[in-house]
Amino acid sequence: GENVEQHPSTLSVQEGDSAVIKCTYSDSASNYFPWYKQELGKRPQLIIDIRSNVGEKKDQRIAVTLNKTAKHFSLHITETQPEDSAVYFCAASITGGGNKLTFGTGTQLKVEL
Amino acid sequence: GAVVSQHPSWVICKSGTSVKIECRSLDFQATTMFWYRQFPKQSLMLMATSNEGSKATYEQGVEKDKFLINHASLTLSTLTVTSAHPEDSSFYICSALSSTFTSSYNEQFFGPGTRLTVL
Repeated sequence: GENVEQHPSTLSVQEGDSAVIKCTYSDSASNYFPWYKQELGKRPQLIIDIRSNVGEKKDQRIAVTLNKTAKHFSLHITETQPEDSAVYFCAASITGGGNKLTFGTGTQLKVEL
Repeated sequence: GAVVSQHPSWVICKSGTSVKIECRSLDFQATTMFWYRQFPKQSLMLMATSNEGSKATYEQGVEKDKFLINHASLTLSTLTVTSAHPEDSSFYICSALSSTFTSSYNEQFFGPGTRLTVL
């Protein structure tokens, strides 16, 4: 089955700096890659997603890049703010293949003032 | 749109009892729902895929007789933890795939989660 690795496990940045979180996946059939933000005790919140026919997608301060050949994708957050502090998860799934999500291990992002 | 609710939000029970958790899609039909378990400071682990009108598909290592899943309608799936033990204490989260929001194809909409504590 699919295996998703995520790095780093913790990331501390100064407010205003950029943060980058990287994930790799094992199943070349995976074609949908969402990123979630989860605050303590809350549900995962979709912040951005990308499909395999696109190499990059941006939404304001958040961007995701995908390298299908290398089977890795990354989340980029620019101009970080304290409210960006949370746990971020990447995930991968196969459209039509049950649509099951395999999650990465998570990154605890802390944005310091 | 695309709201998923869960009930209860938290539950405390004694060891050996059974607990039922409900997952509802409030404004859309969900032919497929998923159940996840999340231990503290860990990732979400898929337990099973629930399809309306058919038996759930369990992930490897998940006991189907212990975690009973019923998806009786297009808006409701239930997870029953039978004979719960302290090691079953966890955060249980459901999600639903929408067959209505075609612009969100593939996107899973998550419920708020249920915190289960087994004493």
